[in-house]
Amino acid sequence: KAGVTQTPRYLIKTRGQQVTLSCSPISGHRSVSWYQQTPGQGLQFLFEYFSETQRNKGNFPGRFSGRQFSNSRSEMNVSTLELGDSALYLCSSRGSSYNEQFFGPGTRLTVL
Amino acid sequence: QKEVEQDPGPLSVPEGAIVSLNCTYSNSAFQYFMWYRQYSRKGPELLMYTYSSGNKEDGRFTAQVDKSSKYISLFIRDSQPSDSATYLCAIAYSGAGSYQLTFGKGTKLSVIP
Repeated sequence: KAGVTQTPRYLIKTRGQQVTLSCSPISGHRSVSWYQQTPGQGLQFLFEYFSETQRNKGNFPGRFSGRQFSNSRSEMNVSTLELGDSALYLCSSRGSSYNEQFFGPGTRLTVL
Repeated sequence: QKEVEQDPGPLSVPEGAIVSLNCTYSNSAFQYFMWYRQYSRKGPELLMYTYSSGNKEDGRFTAQVDKSSKYISLFIRDSQPSDSATYLCAIAYSGAGSYQLTFGKGTKLSVIP
């Protein structure tokens, strides 16, 4: 079974630009969550999608948004990038059991 | 106060040592307790998972949960250089159909041959 895939793996943007990151979950998984990982704050929850609906959202500004498609693939978008948005963005997909949560390798975003 | 506190280390031990990693949490509504391991440039991978107080063993790894003290631990016996990674505790609350993991900041472990 293929794991969680994320594209692109690395991205460099400048302040004020916007960016879209993509995540393909494990086949059969309908729940996709996004996390931001920084050295200072660690892993922080962004949002969770299930069957194309956002079920939960973390404490991030509205510049961070996401969506999920009918095939469970998900995208997250960050508009008006700030230097502090530089981070590793991780996507995870979850099956029916709570221990069936798997992470992708992440997208390393650098904002200059 | 953060919901989950974890000593960031770093922690350096000789090969074969017993490693103890710990987290405390503040929200008694948390239901599920996990440990993830993250190698450099990789996503976290699930090591151990439990939802009740007590011990759970899997090979060289033992996860311990004390809900009365809001304290969770991961013990690694006979540590190996391949165990060198960042270890993250994660605690979950599930309600109203949603599920969210709250992570500790991670402890970086180095096992020296």
